[in-house]
Amino acid sequence: DPKIIQKPKYLVAVTGSEKILICEQYLGHNAMYWYRQSAKKPLEFMFSYSYQKLMDNQTASSRFQPQSSKKNHLDLQITALKPDDSATYFCASSQDLGGYEQYFGPGTRLTVL
Amino acid sequence: GQQVQQSPASLVLQEGENAELQCNFSSTATRLQWFYQHPGGRLVSLFYNPSGTKHTGRLTSTTVTNERRSSLHISSSQTTDSGTYFCAPHNYAQGLTFGLGTRVSVFP
Repeated sequence: DPKIIQKPKYLVAVTGSEKILICEQYLGHNAMYWYRQSAKKPLEFMFSYSYQKLMDNQTASSRFQPQSSKKNHLDLQITALKPDDSATYFCASSQDLGGYEQYFGPGTRLTVL
Repeated sequence: GQQVQQSPASLVLQEGENAELQCNFSSTATRLQWFYQHPGGRLVSLFYNPSGTKHTGRLTSTTVTNERRSSLHISSSQTTDSGTYFCAPHNYAQGLTFGLGTRVSVFP
């Protein structure tokens, strides 16, 4: 059984639109993260959450907004999509913040046309 | 911020050969993870190390955090080892910092 679920697996969007990427974890973890991997950049950390509170934001743009409706959910809303946003977005979780082992979901591959 | 250097960038092996992947990072980290990324994209955690040596199957990871380096040894490589290997030091609330990875190709 997959312990971290990301939906959808693939997503195609047009420039200027808005999309929400879904992440749910069933590991009982208190910390969740978003990372991004594109052809132009290596895997990069975006956000960390602990007990549904934002702990760190390394994205320069306010177009990326994480949303945590439940402790085991961390969705990512992206507005005003640009072709440069095309990437695979990975959700991850760990027992807590502070150096605990992180486990990654399967990713959502976003293509912006 | 944290900088991570991995070497070599790529590696071609014949099945059965051994390989050593290196990771150096710029800032002190209390933990480090090694990941394997499947050719299809899935990321799997291989090791989670404070300083020291860990083994799993044909893989061995050795991390010396106060010297800001780690290595991953693959013994008796198999074609199923093909993929990309990343090291990633932990930075508390800032998540993991990834290197560019080492792409390993193992041929029969």
